Amino acid sequence: QLQLQESGPGLVKPSETLSLTCTVSGGSISNTIYHWGWIRQPPGKGLEWIGTIYYSGSTYYNPSLKSRATISADTSKNEFSLKLSSVTAADTAVYYCARHRYCSSSSCYGTLYHFDYWGQGTLVTVSS
Amino acid sequence: ESVLTQSPGTLSLSPGERATLSCRASQSLTSTYLAWYQQKPGQAPRLLIYSTSSRATGIPDRFSGSGSGTDFTLTISRLEPEDFAVYYCQQYGTSRGLTFGGGTKVEIK
Repeated sequence: QLQLQESGPGLVKPSETLSLTCTVSGGSISNTIYHWGWIRQPPGKGLEWIGTIYYSGSTYYNPSLKSRATISADTSKNEFSLKLSSVTAADTAVYYCARHRYCSSSSCYGTLYHFDYWGQGTLVTVSS
Repeated sequence: ESVLTQSPGTLSLSPGERATLSCRASQSLTSTYLAWYQQKPGQAPRLLIYSTSSRATGIPDRFSGSGSGTDFTLTISRLEPEDFAVYYCQQYGTSRGLTFGGGTKVEIK
């Protein structure tokens, strides 16, 4: 059974960089069928996609966060990570990692699909 | 980028009733490019429906998805007590088009 687990500091100061890691068990992030993504949810609000990575290092980002977000993967540890720079109180949210399905056929190559396995989420609060 | 608008914001129903949730896109979507998720308090979202109408593994057949163009629907044929939750739609796409709707809360009447 695939499992994803987010880890990282629960409190980050304004203007600093938020860093989270997602450790995957029960499957390999090097599997060519899947991508791996980050999604966040501010308290009491809806879901926002942050970005997605393929094991080879190819990345996709939400345009609204692209300038501040960096996603990387470490296949030797079977984990992928998120860094979000220059955080403000608006970045306070539960951060989820998830397995991201995508289109691999030539007719729709690069189209990102749905998230089929999710981590439990981790709350990150931005406050001094 | 297409914006997804879910309605109603809150749906008040009794167990056993039928729930119809709407997800409207501001621009026409490829017909199979929509997913639905269920989220209960304190839990991660769970995939219910992908490619507009395919049920995810383990999802009961009382959940069904349909739609095309700009109008998509999630139907729960007979509400069970465990179905009261928030539901989100999500469109597929490249970086510019991958977004979620604002959610519909299904609450007990």
